[in-house]
Amino acid sequence: AQSVTQLGSHVSVSEGALVLLRCNYSSSVPPYLFWYVQYPNQGLQLLLKYTSAATLVKGINGFEAEFKKSETSFHLTKPSAHMSDAAEYFCAVRQHGSGNTGKLIFGQGTTLQVKP
Amino acid sequence: DAGVTQSPTHLIKTRGQQVTLRCSPKSGHDTVSWYQQALGQGPQFIFQYYEEEERQRGNFPDRFSGHQFPNYSSELNVNALLLGDSALYLCASSLDRGRVGSPLHFGNGTRLTVT
Repeated sequence: AQSVTQLGSHVSVSEGALVLLRCNYSSSVPPYLFWYVQYPNQGLQLLLKYTSAATLVKGINGFEAEFKKSETSFHLTKPSAHMSDAAEYFCAVRQHGSGNTGKLIFGQGTTLQVKP
Repeated sequence: DAGVTQSPTHLIKTRGQQVTLRCSPKSGHDTVSWYQQALGQGPQFIFQYYEEEERQRGNFPDRFSGHQFPNYSSELNVNALLLGDSALYLCASSLDRGRVGSPLHFGNGTRLTVT
């Protein structure tokens, strides 16, 4: 069974500082991994995805994530935080394999606060 | 190109009532999934519809049911509402046809409050 753990429910950074949001996964098959962002009172927007191609994945808004199989991690980073990055971030693994049709399993989310 | 649209945006119901939520998928998408997001939590998978049939179901009681129409739009029905059903209900669409790696596109959700 696949699962996702996001370390740190709240992360606070200063504007211009590095953003690092942590995600570890558990999967018995090569995983499909995603990062989504959710702004207040909105749905989820896809930031980036890993589907077994390049291990360093670049997404929208300057975010990127690196798939590290040895660490079972898929941490999200951005070199310089912007005030508009303040939101809730969700890491998700897409369940696949025999009998599975691709449902997303989400972590609990990390709230990113950006201080001026 | 319209994305995933959901209606209504907000809804207030009383315990014991029934509710129907609606979703139109992104143009060209054939698969619709529903998720429940309780306050402060990550979304939880309810079920998925493909070719007008429920293809997979999460750990939700039979009070939760759905439907997919020939135009790929979908409804989520919840009977005998409980206070614990209060949540944001998200619809997501994708173009699957077996391509599990394709990303899900989410709507803005329906905020259901049960009093």
